[in-house]
Amino acid sequence: AQTVTQSQPEMSVQEAETVTLSCTYDTSESDYYLFWYKQPPSRQMILVIRQEAYKQQNATENRFSVNFQKAAKSFSLKISDSQLGDAAMYFCAFNNAGNMLTFGGGTRLMVKP
Amino acid sequence: EPEVTQTPSHQVTQMGQEVILRCVPISNHLYFYWYRQILGQKVEFLVSFYNNEISEKSEIFDDQFSVERPDGSNFTLKIRSTKLEDSAMYFCASSYIGGLEAFFGQGTRLTVV
Repeated sequence: AQTVTQSQPEMSVQEAETVTLSCTYDTSESDYYLFWYKQPPSRQMILVIRQEAYKQQNATENRFSVNFQKAAKSFSLKISDSQLGDAAMYFCAFNNAGNMLTFGGGTRLMVKP
Repeated sequence: EPEVTQTPSHQVTQMGQEVILRCVPISNHLYFYWYRQILGQKVEFLVSFYNNEISEKSEIFDDQFSVERPDGSNFTLKIRSTKLEDSAMYFCASSYIGGLEAFFGQGTRLTVV
């Protein structure tokens, strides 16, 4: 069974600064997908970014980028130029090309003005 | 932009009662999912549905749960006899390809009293 671990229950960042959220996972699969989801106070789950394990290049979406280290089974999210609207819970999630997402426990990100 | 819609946004029910949570997935999506999130905990997979049948389910999805796609647009989750521990946020999601780019609805908060 796959497990996803987010070791930082809470993080804070100053507005306009950069913050990195950590995620590690455990799997015996070689082909899989990794995701970061954002959950604002409204509690809706919003897809932030996706990474395919077969791709060596790290995914980037505007201010959001990942550092994918396949050998280390690490998938961190970097948020640049943090904005107040980035404050939310962030969940790392794993999919082994099946139908099920396995989520980590989440990291609460606070953005200080 | 197309989105997954869920109704109701909040449902309060008495223990032992049946509830039906409704979802309208994105129209051209083929895979449908239910997840739940107990307050303060991680998001947990319940079930995936493809081609009019369950393709995968978790241990949580026991005999008191069922899913149905009664017509071409709706996807429902029925809890037959609710328990206090069923109180949670229930998320519907859909994707065009199994396990990829799952888009989530805004959730239904179920409170069992």
